[in-house]
Amino acid sequence: GENVEQHPSTLSVQEGDSAVIKCTYSDSASNYFPWYKQELGKGPQLIIDIRSNVGEKKDQRIAVTLNKTAKHFSLHITETQPEDSAVYFCAASTKAGTALIFGKGTTLSVSS
Amino acid sequence: EPEVTQTPSHQVTQMGQEVILRCVPISNHLYFYWYRQILGQKVEFLVSFYNNEISEKSEIFDDQFSVERPDGSNFTLKIRSTKLEDSAMYFCASREDSLGEQYFGPGTRLTVT
Repeated sequence: GENVEQHPSTLSVQEGDSAVIKCTYSDSASNYFPWYKQELGKGPQLIIDIRSNVGEKKDQRIAVTLNKTAKHFSLHITETQPEDSAVYFCAASTKAGTALIFGKGTTLSVSS
Repeated sequence: EPEVTQTPSHQVTQMGQEVILRCVPISNHLYFYWYRQILGQKVEFLVSFYNNEISEKSEIFDDQFSVERPDGSNFTLKIRSTKLEDSAMYFCASREDSLGEQYFGPGTRLTVT
């Protein structure tokens, strides 16, 4: 089955810096790659997603890139703010409607 | 904005007892999921449900687990005889169609003593 690896497990940046989180997946049939943000005591919230027919997607300060050949995708957050501090999870899904397989998460800390 | 709701927010039960976790998915959604997250670990898939039947389940979802959509709004997860290792945060999620975003509820923290 699908396996998703995520790095780093923790990331500390200064406010205004960029943060990059990377994930790799094992199943070449995976075609949907969402990123979720989880704040303490809450459920995961989707922040951006990308499908395998697209190489890059951007939404304001957040961007995701996908390299299907290498089977990896990355989350880029620019101009980080303290409110970006949270746990970020990448995930992959092999076909429409199926389960999301999550990475282990990255704890991002943005200090002001 | 529509949201997935879950009750209770925290459930404490004794080992061997049955628990039912409840979820109300977003009203026009057709696909429903349960995930769990053991403290400090990643979110793990348990089961998906579509068209009134289980469409996919993980190895975690053994005979002790069952799901049901008893009416048009609720989606429940039952654990028949809880074990200590069932202690986790359980998240319900729903999606409108097969290509849509999965929306997660706030979770139910299950503590088995």
